[in-house]
Amino acid sequence: AQKITQTQPGMFVQEKEAVTLDCTYDTSDQSYGLFWYKQPSSGEMIFLIYQGSYDEQNATEGRYSLNFQKARKSANLVISASQLGDSAMYFCAMREGLTGGGNKLTFGTGTQLKVEL
Amino acid sequence: DTAVSQTPKYLVTQMGNDKSIKCEQNLGHDTMYWYKQDSKKFLKIMFSYNNKELIINETVPNRFSPKSPDKAHLNLHINSLELGDSAVYFCASSPTGGALSEKLFFGSGTQLSVL
Repeated sequence: AQKITQTQPGMFVQEKEAVTLDCTYDTSDQSYGLFWYKQPSSGEMIFLIYQGSYDEQNATEGRYSLNFQKARKSANLVISASQLGDSAMYFCAMREGLTGGGNKLTFGTGTQLKVEL
Repeated sequence: DTAVSQTPKYLVTQMGNDKSIKCEQNLGHDTMYWYKQDSKKFLKIMFSYNNKELIINETVPNRFSPKSPDKAHLNLHINSLELGDSAVYFCASSPTGGALSEKLFFGSGTQLSVL
């Protein structure tokens, strides 16, 4: 079973509009961390935002916010006031513990966002 | 100063060859990783080392052998390269590898093309 599901392979948004990128996850752990990364066409992986499973407030970082709904196991990324430079691939990821110790960061399949004029 | 640097950026080689990718981090982190990104952009963890000790070894062909001479370096050696090995390989690091809140710091990736 997929640990991280991103159902939108591609999204379009008008410049200055807000956009929501969906992410659902599957875990039986109570403690886990959720991350979003951005990968522009140049290829580097850029950390955007983090949400802990016990955090009561939704995480925010500038124009990025994470809409965390624990009961629904969803961690959607909201980008406000989209800019042309936001055009990129966006990955949702989850870090959870491993049997025997340690933990692992698992990525979803990504959503390609295109911001249009 | 680049925090996580990997070389080379591009690697083009023939099937059957052996090649290495090098990674170094100057962040003082204890844990380093190798991820593979396939042609569909899917990122999958391959290996993780903590203080030179292998802690994650995913289902990866044994043609892939990571080596960590010290905690600042994690190299990836690939024997008998196959067409299916063509991908982008990312090195990453994190402070301890133990906290669920730790983000990964990624290198810029190595595009491997096997002909």
